[in-house]
Amino acid sequence: GQSLEQPSEVTAVEGAIVQINCTYQTSGFYGLSWYQQHDGGAPTFLSYNALDGLEETGRFSSFLSRSDSYGYLLLQELQMKDSASYFCAVRDRTAGNKLTFGGGTRVLVKP
Amino acid sequence: DVKVTQSSRYLVKRTGEKVFLECVQDMDHENMFWYRQDPGLGLRLIYFSYDVKMKEKGDIPEGYSVSREKKERFSLILESASTNQTSMYLCASSPRWGEENTIYFGEGSWLTVV
Repeated sequence: GQSLEQPSEVTAVEGAIVQINCTYQTSGFYGLSWYQQHDGGAPTFLSYNALDGLEETGRFSSFLSRSDSYGYLLLQELQMKDSASYFCAVRDRTAGNKLTFGGGTRVLVKP
Repeated sequence: DVKVTQSSRYLVKRTGEKVFLECVQDMDHENMFWYRQDPGLGLRLIYFSYDVKMKEKGDIPEGYSVSREKKERFSLILESASTNQTSMYLCASSPRWGEENTIYFGEGSWLTVV
């Protein structure tokens, strides 16, 4: 099966940088995704990494190291609206067409 | 924009009742999924389907069944609801893998079993 570990909660102030780490165990790794979910809302896609390296999308970046089974989501220039839960998810080619999610990291941004 | 619509936002059911949660997507996606979300446990996959009338068990299928008679509709069925099935249920859809690596979620259905 698959398993993913990420911190449960992170607190930071506006304008700061937050890094959310995700380590995974899976037998047929295909790619690592990140999703954002505001309280009461649906998860929405942020980024996807299939190859090693950094992907940048505005204030958010995602990194993957396949050899270390590790990735992170970097949130820069934090804004109050970034307060949300962030989930990493892996696709596993041995596990059919499904994504397995981590437990989520709750990010609280303070003024 | 892709739209995934879940028929009920909030439901309260009694123990032992049969519960239907309906989900419809409007983008002709092949794949559809049902997850449940509980605090600290993230999203756990119950069932998924990659084609009409096809279904695959996810990580926690016990106590649930699904139906996909039409491509756009994926139903989750609780044959006999129990209090430990009180949760938020999320439906999702995605195009064929390889075309896109994202899935699109509905707004969720909050189910309380009393």
